[in-house]
Amino acid sequence: GESVGLHLPTLSVQEGDNSIINCAYSNSASDYFIWYKQESGKGPQFIIDIRSNMDKRQGQRVTVLLNKTVKHLSLQIAATQPGDSAVYFCAENIEAAGNKLTFGGGTRVLVKP
Amino acid sequence: GAVVSQHPSWVICKSGTSVKIECRSLDFQATTMFWYRQFPKQSLMLMATSNEGSKATYEQGVEKDKFLINHASLTLSTLTVTSAHPEDSSFYICSARDLGQGYSGPNTDTQYFGPGTRLTVL
Repeated sequence: GESVGLHLPTLSVQEGDNSIINCAYSNSASDYFIWYKQESGKGPQFIIDIRSNMDKRQGQRVTVLLNKTVKHLSLQIAATQPGDSAVYFCAENIEAAGNKLTFGGGTRVLVKP
Repeated sequence: GAVVSQHPSWVICKSGTSVKIECRSLDFQATTMFWYRQFPKQSLMLMATSNEGSKATYEQGVEKDKFLINHASLTLSTLTVTSAHPEDSSFYICSARDLGQGYSGPNTDTQYFGPGTRLTVL
């Protein structure tokens, strides 16, 4: 997706609860998808990725789900911690286009103590 | 592993001057690096793809004569903002693709990002 401008969607979550961040993508030719976490004033940090031939992948406290039918990607964070507060971006990669990443608009996650 | 550094982390310059930003892959080789620009509360926008030993490929709307890119080695790419103006003020971020020769990450196509450079043009 494209940048959504000056307003980032915000997800407020209680510490210890699970978080679900959603992302819609547009290009059915995308080969794989990546979730990045960006803290204020820092570069994006790789969280987890998933190939287009998979529908689920799990990492440490994180799970990515891919639904190619509706072009939807989600990131689930289990037992959300204060350190998880950041902006989360999904990105889609197309190998045929030179492996350029297209970033979604981002979602701000605020963890309440 | 898979660490990308940028220098400087922030820079303030006068309008009309040029600024060079360095991007280094510290523990892996990267034939391809990417340069992004990010305005406040917005997503990352790809500016150009930097290929080692060849000319960079610029995205539509990005002036190649204003944003000069040099990728002289497998671990270093530089972005020079020439004749900077206040509207060039932004957060510039580079990334590098790990080809799997160093860090064995989950996917050898994964891009790893630098910490960014905050440019302020007065």
